[in-house]
Amino acid sequence: DTEVTQTPKHLVMGMTNKKSLKCEQHMGHRAMYWYKQKAKKPPELMFVYSYEKLSINESVPSRFSPECPNSSLLNLHLHALQPEDSALYLCASSQDRSGLFRQYFGPGTRLTVT
Amino acid sequence: SQQGEEDPQALSIQEGENATMNCSYKTSINNLQWYRQNSGRGLVHLILIRSNEREKHSGRLRVTLDTSKKSSSLLITASRAADTASYFCATDAGITGGGNKLTFGTGTQLKVEL
Repeated sequence: DTEVTQTPKHLVMGMTNKKSLKCEQHMGHRAMYWYKQKAKKPPELMFVYSYEKLSINESVPSRFSPECPNSSLLNLHLHALQPEDSALYLCASSQDRSGLFRQYFGPGTRLTVT
Repeated sequence: SQQGEEDPQALSIQEGENATMNCSYKTSINNLQWYRQNSGRGLVHLILIRSNEREKHSGRLRVTLDTSKKSSSLLITASRAADTASYFCATDAGITGGGNKLTFGTGTQLKVEL
């Protein structure tokens, strides 16, 4: 199984809502990633987890809260978002070695903040 | 920003023609990867070239890497309508603590017309 799944596919939320994005992989990968992608722009790294520990936070606002409950799951908890946070949120995974390994991407969650 | 630049930003060709995309980057790398993204979907890994390699082939894809010029190119031969997508280069500088940090270029939008 070489698939990364993400739920939901689409999410519309108000600025006072709390919601979560979910990501799952069963490839035995020990590194997982969250990216944010605005329209017609490249993906931008938000967080990296390695062996279920947060190894990189790219200065992401605290209204985004990542969680890695186990090696197969990655969540992104959302609270008090702004309209400018509307974007495609991509999850990815890779074998846990720096360099030489490709990342496998999920299809993304299209988030709209109203 | 460590983001790389790609050119052209957009490319329109006829089916059967070759498509060449160029990528320039700014920092030392472990490897460089190319990804394809169909409209609003997840990214698909195409090819990875290590920093000590100069050229790599995979099916209709040919990638070159010139680390002295900090540049790479992706050639798609005998293009098909199904190749229509956005193409991103991504540099991998590796990170301590596990995982690999990809920095994506600005992307090339390729349109292959029948």
